[in-house]
Amino acid sequence: EDKVVQSPLSLVVHEGDTVTLNCSYEVTNFRSLLWYKQEKKAPTFLFMLTSSGIEKKSGRLSSILDKKELFSILNITATQTGDSAIYLCAGLNAGNNRKLIWGLGTSLAVNP
Amino acid sequence: DGGITQSPKYLFRKEGQNVTLSCEQNLNHDAMYWYRQDPGQGLRLIYYSQIVNDFQKGDIAEGYSVSREKKESFPLTVTSAQKNPTAFYLCASSGTVGLYEQYFGPGTRLTVT
Repeated sequence: EDKVVQSPLSLVVHEGDTVTLNCSYEVTNFRSLLWYKQEKKAPTFLFMLTSSGIEKKSGRLSSILDKKELFSILNITATQTGDSAIYLCAGLNAGNNRKLIWGLGTSLAVNP
Repeated sequence: DGGITQSPKYLFRKEGQNVTLSCEQNLNHDAMYWYRQDPGQGLRLIYYSQIVNDFQKGDIAEGYSVSREKKESFPLTVTSAQKNPTAFYLCASSGTVGLYEQYFGPGTRLTVT
């Protein structure tokens, strides 16, 4: 059965800290790993990773995929209170159904 | 402005009543999805549709129904057969083959008493 596991489930840091969020996956017909940020409402898309070892970066956020070890990390440097959110990762099963397999999320709280 | 709209934002219903949640997109996306989100359980797929007039059950389809008569619209009906309908419902869409990221609407919080 396909599954995506995120760790830690929750994290509390101080502004300015650097955090690393983990996502491991077992997804048949794996195509890509996606990261989303959810702040009280709808998840917003952050990254889609398809190739191993190639870092994707957007401002203070970056992410990388390891297809050999079946995991991805999301790094946030110099955290701000606005980074407080649930971070979701999902693996794409690109079989006939083209389904996303979702993790439970990591709840990040950044304190001032 | 391109995007996905869901209405209403909050919905209250009495037990035993069917209720329909609206989802509309103007992104010209082929695929649309309905998810349910409960605390501590992540996103669970209810139904999805990859093309007009076709849809498939997701992981928790029992007690729900959908239709896809137009590309832009994918309404979800929560029937009285759904045992625990109170939840946050999210609609998403994604583009054509090769564009797999899903974009979400703002969600509808349904409370059934």
